[in-house]
Amino acid sequence: DTAVSQTPKYLVTQMGNDKSIKCEQNLGHDTMYWYKQDSKKFLKIMFSYNNKELIINETVPNRFSPKSPDKAHLNLHINSLELGDSAVYFCASSQTRNTDTQYFGPGTRLTVL
Amino acid sequence: AQSVTQLGSHVSVSEGALVLLRCNYSSSVPPYLFWYVQYPNQGLQLLLKYTSAATLVKGINGFEAEFKKSETSFHLTKPSAHMSDAAEYFCAVRGGYQKVTFGTGTKLQVIP
Repeated sequence: DTAVSQTPKYLVTQMGNDKSIKCEQNLGHDTMYWYKQDSKKFLKIMFSYNNKELIINETVPNRFSPKSPDKAHLNLHINSLELGDSAVYFCASSQTRNTDTQYFGPGTRLTVL
Repeated sequence: AQSVTQLGSHVSVSEGALVLLRCNYSSSVPPYLFWYVQYPNQGLQLLLKYTSAATLVKGINGFEAEFKKSETSFHLTKPSAHMSDAAEYFCAVRGGYQKVTFGTGTKLQVIP
């Protein structure tokens, strides 16, 4: 069984479009994260939610809006996509906000044309 | 504030040779340190972690790392490289209750 799953795995879209990426974890964890990995493999945290509450909000354009309908799901909506948004987006979860180990999803490769 | 520096974006070793991937950290509080591995087209997987217990930490797949406070280092080693070890390796640090900060990664190539 997949612990942290993301859909879609690949997303190709035009500049200016709006798209969403979904993440679900079946580990019973309280905390979920979104990371962006650029073409140089640099991994940077974007957001973190703990029990549906936003706890980390890095310097990210407000075109990016996370939504957590329940603690098992954390979706990422991106408005007005730009070329620079092309990256691999990883969802992760941890048991609590203070727990060491994060479990990562397989990633969503977003390509903006 | 916290940061991680991984020395060498690419490391090549022969199959059977020692693997050494370097990581130095900076943290204003006693850190938690991690090594993650990323295989092609996959997410990150935890290899091992240091959480202020034993300074020599053993992880999966024969990897281990030693926390050296005096050198602010947490280098990853494996005595004998296997072809399946070829991947990207990320060192990460968390100081106290802060978010985890990842290094820029080291790509390990294993030559037959």
